[in-house]
Amino acid sequence: GQNIDQPTEMTATEGAIVQINCTYQTSGFNGLFWYQQHAGEAPTFLSYNVLDGLEEKGRFSSFLSRSKGYSYLLLKELQMKDSASYLCAVVNTGGFKTIFGAGTRLFVKA
Amino acid sequence: NAGVTQTPKFQVLKTGQSMTLQCAQDMNHEYMSWYRQDPGMGLRLIHYSVGAGITDQGEVPNGYNVSRSTTEDFPLRLLSAAPSQTSVYFCASSQNPGMGQPQHFGDGTRLSIL
Repeated sequence: GQNIDQPTEMTATEGAIVQINCTYQTSGFNGLFWYQQHAGEAPTFLSYNVLDGLEEKGRFSSFLSRSKGYSYLLLKELQMKDSASYLCAVVNTGGFKTIFGAGTRLFVKA
Repeated sequence: NAGVTQTPKFQVLKTGQSMTLQCAQDMNHEYMSWYRQDPGMGLRLIHYSVGAGITDQGEVPNGYNVSRSTTEDFPLRLLSAAPSQTSVYFCASSQNPGMGQPQHFGDGTRLSIL
């Protein structure tokens, strides 16, 4: 079976740091993506991990532990525009199917 | 550069009607997919294609058909619409997700079945 778990909602303060976790149990693994989705809009790509460790991209970083089936997205120096849903997605072996978690809605307050 | 174009943006259907959601991409991507997004359930994969003439089922294929006669187009057909198919539908394309190349999404089609 396939299961991807993320917290449903999180709230953080402008300027702070927030970590959004994702755990997965999937039939095979060929990489993990994080996407951002603002309300009423399409998802857009944030990051990709296929090897264990941290990938950094400006204010956003993503971490992967394949042995633990665990990833997190770290957002630093939060801004109001970071209020959005963050989607964790796993690519199965073969690279043909991408399965999404339900997403985490992040609210950034002043 | 258009990217992924979905039409229509909004549609209301009656139960039992059929229709086709259009998706076209101009990036020469081999991989295309259709998702539906319902509140609290994230994106669920309906069908996907890894190239012209090749399609396969995703997580929730029942009630939907697809075909891929060209690299650019990947239409999704609802055979006999049901209220449970009320959702937002996203089409996406990628050169190769398995090689870390992300999916590019269209703006979505908001479909209501009465």
